[in-house]
Amino acid sequence: EVQLVESGGGLVKPGGSLRLSCAASGLTFSNAWMTWVRQAPGKGLEWVGLIKSKTDGGTRDYAAPVRGRFTVSRDDSKNTLYLQMDSLETEDTAVYYCSTVGISGSRYWYYGMDVWGQGTTVTVSS
Amino acid sequence: DIQMTQSPSSLSASVGDRVTITCRASQTISIYVNWYQQKPGQAPKLLIYTASTLQSGVPSRFSGGGSGTDFTLTISSLQPEDFATYYCQQSYSTLITFGQGTRLEIK
Repeated sequence: EVQLVESGGGLVKPGGSLRLSCAASGLTFSNAWMTWVRQAPGKGLEWVGLIKSKTDGGTRDYAAPVRGRFTVSRDDSKNTLYLQMDSLETEDTAVYYCSTVGISGSRYWYYGMDVWGQGTTVTVSS
Repeated sequence: DIQMTQSPSSLSASVGDRVTITCRASQTISIYVNWYQQKPGQAPKLLIYTASTLQSGVPSRFSGGGSGTDFTLTISSLQPEDFATYYCQQSYSTLITFGQGTRLEIK
C-alpha cells in the first residue's frame, strides 16, 4: 500500500521560512511524479507545485502565487519530497498535502492525483 | 494558466436523487479532466480521471463525461456518504489548476 506522510508544518511569522517533508513508502519513489496542493481555511484546493521523476527530466512547475518563493525538491535515496517555503505571506496559511501524480513507465501523470497524504498545517501570522 | 469554472458552487439534493456537476475549461483540453471528492477534515479522493474513467474502487453510480471545454460529473443515485465537496482539475498542462469546488448538501 502506498503511503505518504507530511511533516514540518507549524506557526511562522510573515517573511519567514519553513520546509515541509513528505515521506513516501510502498512505491518506487524515484519513478514517481509528485505534487504539493494546499487548502486555505474554508477554501478550495490550490495546486502549488510539481516535480517530475528524474527519469522524465526532474523538472518542476509552480503555481503563479508561489513561483520564486517556494521550491519543490526530492531525495530519492530517502524516498522523500520537500517543499521549501521562503518569504512566507499570511495568504500562505493552509493545509499542505503531497500527492503522487504519475509513475514513469506505468501511470501517466494526467491520470490525476491518486494517493494523498493526511496534510500538514502551516500558519503564517505575526 | 487554464481556468476551470465549476457550477453550481453549491447544490442541495436528497438521497436517491441524480445530480450533475459541470466544469468548463478556459481553453480546449481534450479529455484531460479529473474529478475529486473531499469530505471535511479529509484529504481529497480521486474519483474519475481523463474525463470518464472510474478510479479503482469508486462506485459505479459515479460517472464522468465531456471533452474539449465542457465536462460533467454525475451521481446517478445519491447515497448518504456522497454528501461532500467535489472538484474538477485539468491535467492538460503541468501548470495544474482546480475548479473552485461544488458543495453537495443534504436537502
